[in-house]
Amino acid sequence: DGGITQSPKYLFRKEGQNVTLSCEQNLNHDAMYWYRQDPGQGLRLIYYSQIVNDFQKGDIAEGYSVSREKKESFPLTVTSAQKNPTAFYLCASSISGTLTEAFFGQGTRLTVV
Amino acid sequence: AQKVTQAQTEISVVEKEDVTLDCVYETRDTTYYLFWYKQPPSGELVFLIRRNSFDEQNEISGRYSWNFQKSTSSFNFTITASQVVDSAVYFCALSEGGQGSSGSARQLTFGSGTQLTVLP
Repeated sequence: DGGITQSPKYLFRKEGQNVTLSCEQNLNHDAMYWYRQDPGQGLRLIYYSQIVNDFQKGDIAEGYSVSREKKESFPLTVTSAQKNPTAFYLCASSISGTLTEAFFGQGTRLTVV
Repeated sequence: AQKVTQAQTEISVVEKEDVTLDCVYETRDTTYYLFWYKQPPSGELVFLIRRNSFDEQNEISGRYSWNFQKSTSSFNFTITASQVVDSAVYFCALSEGGQGSSGSARQLTFGSGTQLTVLP
């Protein structure tokens, strides 16, 4: 079945460590996105990518990095520079950046211990 | 700048009641798209509907209906005869039709969501 797969579902990180969240899609979508969700808040955009080897910062990119070496994959690295990384992270994709609906993965819950 | 406001943080209803979730948006663009997403406890956002700014027709899909009014910048969502399975967080989102600063991908701006609980 086509869809978006995020892994792992739960992730624990020690302070000062970098961690990478995986996002893979087999929908042949050009655009991919990373959002962060905090309790009681909406989704905030971290990074997005329109095409392979290109990505743009969203509203809260500080402390995060991404790569887009393949169309199917858009991993997100949460670096030690991110001061408050505990959150729920959602990856999404859409056919293009042209206002079609986005499809979301099931999310990764990151906790700093 | 675009903004989406969902003033209702939490709503509780008893099964079979009708419930309306409010969404008010702000944008300077004349071309934009509005969305509703459902987030069940599993966490994945499920797409429900997309409307463009030139189509003010209300839409009905089964027990779901949407009322889009440009005059009040609102895009409200009504669930008729609610069921326990409707319990979830519902997000309204906006995407402007103009080119983003990168000239390419456009962004979804989400409201803070409404937690709907349907009690048996």
